[in-house]
Amino acid sequence: QKEVEQDPGPLSVPEGAIVSLNCTYSNSAFQYFMWYRQYSRKGPELLMYTYSSGNKEDGRFTAQVDKSSKYISLFIRDSQPSDSATYLCAMKDTGGFKTIFGAGTRLFVKA
Amino acid sequence: DADVTQTPRNRITKTGKRIMLECSQTKGHDRMYWYRQDPGLGLQLIYYSFDVKDINKGEISDGYSVSRQAQAKFSLSLESAIPNQTALYFCATSDWTSGGAGELFFGEGSRLTVL
Repeated sequence: QKEVEQDPGPLSVPEGAIVSLNCTYSNSAFQYFMWYRQYSRKGPELLMYTYSSGNKEDGRFTAQVDKSSKYISLFIRDSQPSDSATYLCAMKDTGGFKTIFGAGTRLFVKA
Repeated sequence: DADVTQTPRNRITKTGKRIMLECSQTKGHDRMYWYRQDPGLGLQLIYYSFDVKDINKGEISDGYSVSRQAQAKFSLSLESAIPNQTALYFCATSDWTSGGAGELFFGEGSRLTVL
């Protein structure tokens, strides 16, 4: 079993929809929960991260962590065609340096 | 210019050939990494280096070697390429002072095809 599971999609939504991207994990030591965005033919870039449990909001993006369920989510409100990309969840424990990535979910937002 | 530069961006080679992928960075970071990306598998760590004298194996180092020529340069070699090494390879850097999340800064990738 992988430490981090993520549905690879693809996920196709109309412009303006609310998008929900999710990951599950098995390692209870993870404390940093990150979302990277990767455009086609580009390297991943950090979108946002959360430490421990709770929510974090940045504009149209909200990251949620539920440590009791070992489940994290990224919500995108009012999705735009420019949001079309692959979204990778990633996790790390405190003091460690290894970042463990999910497989990435490919998102298409149709105009 | 990009902060993390990878060369070549695309390479097609034959089984048994030696291949080197190069990475250079202008971010001034000490830590450098090589990842491999395959569809459905995400990013897997091949090798990492915390400074010029420090080289460590990652999850999938078999068939690969690395060289840290300087703080800013980290190269990945496939001594004898095989078809299942066909993948997208990323170099990344991080700064130990960037906080607990350890944000990774990636290059644009090197697509390698082994025939």
